[in-house]
Amino acid sequence: ELKVEQNPLFLSMQEGKNYTIYCNYSTTSDRLYWYRQDPGKSLESLFVLLSNGAVKQEGRLMASLDTKARLSTLHITAAVHDLSATYFCAVDLSYNTDKLIFGTGTRLQVFP
Amino acid sequence: EPEVTQTPSHQVTQMGQEVILRCVPISNHLYFYWYRQILGQKVEFLVSFYNNEISEKSEIFDDQFSVERPDGSNFTLKIRSTKLEDSAMYFCASSETFGQGGYGYTFGSGTRLTVV
Repeated sequence: ELKVEQNPLFLSMQEGKNYTIYCNYSTTSDRLYWYRQDPGKSLESLFVLLSNGAVKQEGRLMASLDTKARLSTLHITAAVHDLSATYFCAVDLSYNTDKLIFGTGTRLQVFP
Repeated sequence: EPEVTQTPSHQVTQMGQEVILRCVPISNHLYFYWYRQILGQKVEFLVSFYNNEISEKSEIFDDQFSVERPDGSNFTLKIRSTKLEDSAMYFCASSETFGQGGYGYTFGSGTRLTVV
C-alpha cells in the first residue's frame, strides 16, 4: 500500500524565515503534486512535478522531486503571513489509475 | 477559467438519512472523482468514474455509497444511510483524459457534510 508522509505536521514560523517541508512516499512514482488548502476551502494546485530532478518555483515557494529517494521538498523563502495554510503533497501511481494518494498535510502558520 | 461546481456548500443531515451531493464537472471532462476529508485529516480517494461506470473505488466506498451521472452534466454521490463518521468535506474532481494523474485534475470547492 502506498504511503505518503509529510513532516512536519505543524509548522509555526516567523515572517522572513526560511523552512522546508518534506514529503516521503513508499513506492515508485514519477508524479508528485503540491496543493494548498485554506481553512474550509478547496485544494489549490501549486506545483506538478513529473520527473526526477524536477524543480519548480512560484514566488516564495520552490518544490523539487527526487524519485530515487522518493522524496519531494517544498521550500519556503522569506515567509509572509499570506502563506499561512495547510500544504498537501499527493502522489499517483502512474499506471492504470488516476487516483491520488495524499500526504498527511503540513499546517503552516506564519506570524509577524 | 472553467470550474467544477459543487452543491450544496454545506449540508446538515440526521443520522440514518440519505444525502445526495451534487457536482457539475467541467463540460469536456470525461473522468470524475470523489474524495473526502475528515476535519483536520488528509484527503482520501473514494471513487473514480468513467463512461457511466465506476473504474476504481477505495475501501471507504462501501455499499452505503453510490455514484451516478444522471443527466450528462451532473455527477452525484449518494450516501444511503448516513453515519456520524461520514461527517467530512467531500470534494469532486474531474479530468479531461486518463493517464495524466493529478496533472489533469480540477477540484471543486467542496461540500461540508455534517451528520448529527
